[in-house]
Amino acid sequence: EAQVTQNPRYLITVTGKKLTVTCSQNMNHEYMSWYRQDPGLGLRQIYYSMNVEVTDKGDVPEGYKVSRKEKRNFPLILESPSPNQTSLYFCASSSQGGLAVYSYNEQFFGPGTRLTVL
Amino acid sequence: TQLLEQSPQFLSIQEGENLTVYCNSSSVFSSLQWYRQEPGEGPVLLVTVVTGGEVKKLKRLTFQFGDARKDSSLHITAAQPGDTGLYLCAGPTTSGTYKYIFGTGTRLKVLA
Repeated sequence: EAQVTQNPRYLITVTGKKLTVTCSQNMNHEYMSWYRQDPGLGLRQIYYSMNVEVTDKGDVPEGYKVSRKEKRNFPLILESPSPNQTSLYFCASSSQGGLAVYSYNEQFFGPGTRLTVL
Repeated sequence: TQLLEQSPQFLSIQEGENLTVYCNSSSVFSSLQWYRQEPGEGPVLLVTVVTGGEVKKLKRLTFQFGDARKDSSLHITAAQPGDTGLYLCAGPTTSGTYKYIFGTGTRLKVLA
């Protein structure tokens, strides 16, 4: 079954304790992305990756890191989480070979990770 | 900065009523997508519109892309409780990057 998986689904942590949210897709997609969803703000893109070893900032990258060492995996790292990073996080992937402006491929989303930072 | 503004933010209607959700921007988009998100799940693509003036139908849902490609609408005919969810428009930015932006969403509740 084609899917995007995220782990963990729920996480409660404390300020400053490093954490990683994993994301994996089995569709051989080039493009992967992380979003956070907050009430009234919709989904905001944190980071995206066009392919292995190629990543770039989205609109809200502060406080986050990513890596893309393998095509299927795109972990999100919070080196020193703060309460303002409490949110619902989604990973997504799509097949996308060119500039986004010319592409309209479907993004497949994971089930989400609800993170609470105390 | 490109923005997508959706209206209304919330909509509660009775089963059988019609409704329209709007997605507006001051910027031109090469394409716009509509997603539906249900509680506890990630968004799922409903449709992609690419050409200015394009109209696409998905059963009781009709999607339109504005002639100038700055806006889009979603019209639901005879809404059903199964249409309940968060509707999001989204599109790729035209800044020469691979960024995507999403609208703020319209939360629809259809009462039986």
